[in-house]
Amino acid sequence: GENVEQHPSTLSVQEGDSAVIKCTYSDSASNYFPWYKQELGKRPQLIIDIRSNVGEKKDQRIAVTLNKTAKHFSLHITETQPEDSAVYFCAASISRGSNYKLTFGKGTLLTVNP
Amino acid sequence: DGGITQSPKYLFRKEGQNVTLSCEQNLNHDAMYWYRQDPGQGLRLIYYSQIVNDFQKGDIAEGYSVSREKKESFPLTVTSAQKNPTAFYLCASSLFGLASHRRHEQFFGPGTRLTVL
Repeated sequence: GENVEQHPSTLSVQEGDSAVIKCTYSDSASNYFPWYKQELGKRPQLIIDIRSNVGEKKDQRIAVTLNKTAKHFSLHITETQPEDSAVYFCAASISRGSNYKLTFGKGTLLTVNP
Repeated sequence: DGGITQSPKYLFRKEGQNVTLSCEQNLNHDAMYWYRQDPGQGLRLIYYSQIVNDFQKGDIAEGYSVSREKKESFPLTVTSAQKNPTAFYLCASSLFGLASHRRHEQFFGPGTRLTVL
């Protein structure tokens, strides 16, 4: 089955700096890559996603890039703020027939220091 | 945040007991999912269901059972066969119809924290 590796497991940055989280996936048939943010004690929420027919997607301070050849994708957060502190999860999905299940990475704890 | 609910928020169980976690959604979503979250392990899929009266095992189904008798409900039973059930359990749902452009996006419930005493 699909395997998703996520790095780093923890990341600490100063407010205003950029943060980058990287993920790799194993199945070249994967075609959907979402990123979820989970604040302490709360549910994960989708912050951005990208499909395999697109190389980059941006939403204000957040961007995601995808390299299908290398089978990796990354989350970029610019001008970080303390409220960006959370656990971030990447995921990959293979839509074969009627199957849309997600495989998640193990998460990255991002701490933004004021 | 509304639309998918889980109960109870906290659950305590004695060893050897079965417990059932509730998950309800009023989003008219076709697919529902159960995940287990442990520190440093990410989200691991237990079971999922894409239509009523049908479900599939995920990556860690042993010791768990589910049912999908209604579109809006997907309860998870943690049986005594689950050797290490203490964890945070998350339910999610998503649109599944082919007409939806957002069919992949999963919406999560607030979770149930299960502790085995």
